[in-house]
Amino acid sequence: TQLLEQSPQFLSIQEGENLTVYCNSSSVFSSLQWYRQEPGEGPVLLVTVVTGGEVKKLKRLTFQFGDARKDSSLHITAAQPGDTGLYLCAGFSGGGADGLTFGKGTHLIIQP
Amino acid sequence: ETGVTQSPTHLIKTRGQQVTLRCSSQSGHNTVSWYQQALGQGPQFIFQYYREEENGRGNFPPRFSGLQFPNYSSELNVNALELDDSALYLCASSYSTDTQYFGPGTRLTVL
Repeated sequence: TQLLEQSPQFLSIQEGENLTVYCNSSSVFSSLQWYRQEPGEGPVLLVTVVTGGEVKKLKRLTFQFGDARKDSSLHITAAQPGDTGLYLCAGFSGGGADGLTFGKGTHLIIQP
Repeated sequence: ETGVTQSPTHLIKTRGQQVTLRCSSQSGHNTVSWYQQALGQGPQFIFQYYREEENGRGNFPPRFSGLQFPNYSSELNVNALELDDSALYLCASSYSTDTQYFGPGTRLTVL
């Protein structure tokens, strides 16, 4: 059974601070996705990383896929209250029929 | 381009009843996956449909079943509802790739 461990589970910081969320596994994934979810809504795709060592930037968000494709990180620079939400990482094994394996998520609160 | 839609938005059932949830996939997508998200948890994979056939299943009992129709829309059926089935049910569509796009979900409450 593949597992994805996200840390921290909860994070509350002040506006303007930087933060990093981690997603770790003992399994190799062919790709990894990051989603953001608002209460009562479905996850919204932020990014997909495919290549080991890959770095992708989305405005103030920087995503990195580990060299061994077992872990990933999300770094937010100068966090804003609009960044508040549940951040989920999800791994795809490449088997096609296994679906995505999700972590439990990181609940992020940015206080003004 | 129309995104993934789900109905109903909310549903309340009692133990032992049966429920059907519906999903319309994003235009151009031929694969639909269903996930269950309990409160405070990440989504868990239930099953996936491709070309009207189930081609993958997570660790869910047979009372969770589904259908995919020729227009790639899909249904999730749950029989003999249990209290632990209370969750947000998410549908995701894709075009034979791993990048999945999620609908807004159906909140099911079992009393």
